[in-house]
Amino acid sequence: DAGVIQSPRHEVTEMGQEVTLRCKPISGHNSLFWYRQTMMRGLELLIYFNNNVPIDDSGMPEDRFSAKMPNASFSTLKIQPSEPRDSAVYFCASSSETEYSNQPQHFGDGTRLSIL
Amino acid sequence: DQQVKQNSPSLSVQEGRISILNCDYTNSMFDYFLWYKKYPAEGPTFLISISSIKDKNEDGRFTVFLNKSAKHLSLHIVPSQPGDSAVYFCAASALLNFGNEKLTFGTGTRLTIIP
Repeated sequence: DAGVIQSPRHEVTEMGQEVTLRCKPISGHNSLFWYRQTMMRGLELLIYFNNNVPIDDSGMPEDRFSAKMPNASFSTLKIQPSEPRDSAVYFCASSSETEYSNQPQHFGDGTRLSIL
Repeated sequence: DQQVKQNSPSLSVQEGRISILNCDYTNSMFDYFLWYKKYPAEGPTFLISISSIKDKNEDGRFTVFLNKSAKHLSLHIVPSQPGDSAVYFCAASALLNFGNEKLTFGTGTRLTIIP
């Protein structure tokens, strides 16, 4: 089975440019999570969706960040305009979440973003 | 406020011996705990989990122990193998409206297995 697929794997761009990160969750999973990993803050949750609906975006750092999930098999995380401090590895994860049981999240291999 | 803490940034263990990785948490609402393993340039890979109704869960060479009163969990790997060299993350969540929303991660422990 294919795991969580993220693209691109690496992105280098100049500050001020728009950046779009993409994620395809595992087929059948109903929850999708976006994380950011930095040296200073470790792995932190940005936003998560359940059944394509954003449930909690309290981790989104500021209005420059936005995320969408137009259907069950695709999500985007957009940064506009990008700044050097946005440089990090961004991970997408998915899980088959239910109300009464715990299921592990499965991660993609991440997008390493560098803003010059 | 670091709700999940891994106080040892690194650990070196001889091949064949037991590796013990520790994790402490502060939020008493956490009721589901996981360990992830991460290799460079890859995403975290789920290793093992434990629900708060248990105090031990075993899967092959990996065992997780949970001490709720001490708000402490540990991962035991025995015997340790060179392929176990990676960064290990502890994570926790609270069963609120859904199953596993808002995983909170520790900062990780880099395990090196010495051949």
